Amino acid sequence: DAKTTQPNSMESNEEEPVHLPCNHSTISGTDYIHWYRQLPSQGPEYVIHGLTSNVNNRMASLAIAEDRKSSTLILHRATLRDAAVYYCILRGRGSTLGRLYFGRGTQLTVWP
Amino acid sequence: DSGVTQTPKHLITATGQRVTLRCSPRSGDLSVYWYQQSLDQGLQFLIQYYNGEERAKGNILERFSAQQFPDLHSELNLSSLELGDSALYFCASSVEPYTEAFFGQGTRLTVV
Repeated sequence: DAKTTQPNSMESNEEEPVHLPCNHSTISGTDYIHWYRQLPSQGPEYVIHGLTSNVNNRMASLAIAEDRKSSTLILHRATLRDAAVYYCILRGRGSTLGRLYFGRGTQLTVWP
Repeated sequence: DSGVTQTPKHLITATGQRVTLRCSPRSGDLSVYWYQQSLDQGLQFLIQYYNGEERAKGNILERFSAQQFPDLHSELNLSSLELGDSALYFCASSVEPYTEAFFGQGTRLTVV
């Protein structure tokens, strides 16, 4: 599995934007960039994914570097409910395996 | 609600026993994945099924087995249980192996 690198932890204040970085220098041309998050005592939750262009959905935005070797998950206004571990994962298009490799992720702390 | 249902939510059993964890994927999802999450470890991939067939194996012990039935629900069987098997077990499903995956709330297994 192509690996990703994320900071162990980040902090934010409530209602401020949060930018969670991810490096994936060995990404291949067919790898999609997926983000998941896991709240305490819950199962992982799909957040967003993209291939080359920036993506937006109701939860977050995903900004992908032009060379695709890094990406940033953007939470526009952090809430206390956004406190979670965030995982950046690569998934190959057309892969028959589909296994999600969960590294350590980034523990996001949101202060009121 | 992710649409993935796992039962039971909690399970307490003694060492040496056998248990079965059940997963109902989202309607239409053909891929099912099982993950184990211990207190001191991250999410470990166990096994994946696609439309009834085993597609990938991860760190699954020989004492563990799984299957996916014609109606696409899946069961994870854990036998000769040891204290170290105490963990959260998550099931996830996706339409195709490379599309976004949706996780259940997990089964918390406690072996005493």
